[in-house]
Amino acid sequence: GENVEQHPSTLSVQEGDSAVIKCTYSDSASNYFPWYKQELGKRPQLIIDIRSNVGEKKDQRIAVTLNKTAKHFSLHITETQPEDSAVYFCAASPITVRYGGATNKLIFGTGTLLAVQP
Amino acid sequence: EAQVTQNPRYLITVTGKKLTVTCSQNMNHEYMSWYRQDPGLGLRQIYYSMNVEVTDKGDVPEGYKVSRKEKRNFPLILESPSPNQTSLYFCASSLRGHNNSPLHFGNGTRLTVT
Repeated sequence: GENVEQHPSTLSVQEGDSAVIKCTYSDSASNYFPWYKQELGKRPQLIIDIRSNVGEKKDQRIAVTLNKTAKHFSLHITETQPEDSAVYFCAASPITVRYGGATNKLIFGTGTLLAVQP
Repeated sequence: EAQVTQNPRYLITVTGKKLTVTCSQNMNHEYMSWYRQDPGLGLRQIYYSMNVEVTDKGDVPEGYKVSRKEKRNFPLILESPSPNQTSLYFCASSLRGHNNSPLHFGNGTRLTVT
């Protein structure tokens, strides 16, 4: 089945610097790659996602890149701010056909704790 | 307000005592799912449901049951809880499958099994 590896597990940056989190996936049929942000004690929330027909997507200070050949995708945060401090999860959605329809699993990485130092 | 509601938020129980964690969404979402979050392991999918009366196993279904008799509700049942099921549990929903629309998570249920 699908396996998603996420690195680094912890990342500390100075305010204003950039942060990059990388994920690799094993199932080449995966076609959807969301990123979730979880602040301390809160629920995960979607911040950006990318589909396999696109190589890059940007939303203000956040961007995601996808390399389908290498089976990896990355989250880039520019001009980091203290409120960016959180745990970030990548995920991949493999396509599995069962009983005449596609299943809908979502496999998460193990998370990256980002700390932005003021 | 559109939301996913889980209850209870905190639960302490003993080994073997059946429990149910409820999940309800008011967004008319077709897809609902349960995850457990453990340190160093991220979020792991337990069960999911594509629609009423349609459920399927995630990656860690052992020891859990679910049902989807109504569109808005997706309870998680632990028939005989064990200490290794101590975890933070999240229910989530999306309009029509998570790769068509974003997942909305509940606030979580912290379960301790002694």
